Amino acid sequence: EVQLVQSGAEVKKPGESLKISCKGSGYSFTTYWIGWVRQLPGKGLEWMGIIYPGDSDTRYSPSFQGQVTISADKSISTAYLQWTSLKASDTAMYYCARPGSSSLVDEFDIWGRGTMVTVSS
Amino acid sequence: EIVMTQSPATLSVSPGERATLSCRASQSVRSNLAWYQQKPGQAPRLLIYGASTRATGIPARFSGSGSGTEFTLTISSLQSEDFAVYYCQQYNDWPPITFGPGTKVDIK
Repeated sequence: EVQLVQSGAEVKKPGESLKISCKGSGYSFTTYWIGWVRQLPGKGLEWMGIIYPGDSDTRYSPSFQGQVTISADKSISTAYLQWTSLKASDTAMYYCARPGSSSLVDEFDIWGRGTMVTVSS
Repeated sequence: EIVMTQSPATLSVSPGERATLSCRASQSVRSNLAWYQQKPGQAPRLLIYGASTRATGIPARFSGSGSGTEFTLTISSLQSEDFAVYYCQQYNDWPPITFGPGTKVDIK
């Protein structure tokens, strides 16, 4: 079964760092892009960026460039989303998702269950 | 950046009725458009890709149409499990991939 398993919920204070993960299984991890999507509480979906684990080619939405870092460790089939200094406005659900086609960026047919990040003093 | 808009923001429909949701792109995305369904507390689920192709396991009551800048998702006969928020997404021109703001389908 193809699946993306995300790390558990996090509660952090402003200014702290954080790295959340997304582990792929049931498919060739290095030949599919993996994207990250933010959903603020009660709001819509925002595409943050995407990485190709095969060569670590990474693209960001201009809205998130410089705010987060996307990375991947292909040896353990895991993608990451990290912050160096969290803000209260980073409180959201974060989903990883995989496009339907190998080597292409198209529709997301596989989604993780999401990681809730809460930033509060 | 391609801006996606959806209308209406909320659609109130009775079970068994037809629902028609619209999505518009600020410039042509050809047929590189997907529709997702999201229920409370759940991840989005892919319904339609390529503007009109149903994803695996999606019932035939869901259909998509359109190309270029105007797209439609139709649910032919709403079932109780279809009440949810629906998002369109373009993947023709990226980064960034962009989503519409969503249409909430609720019970009339």
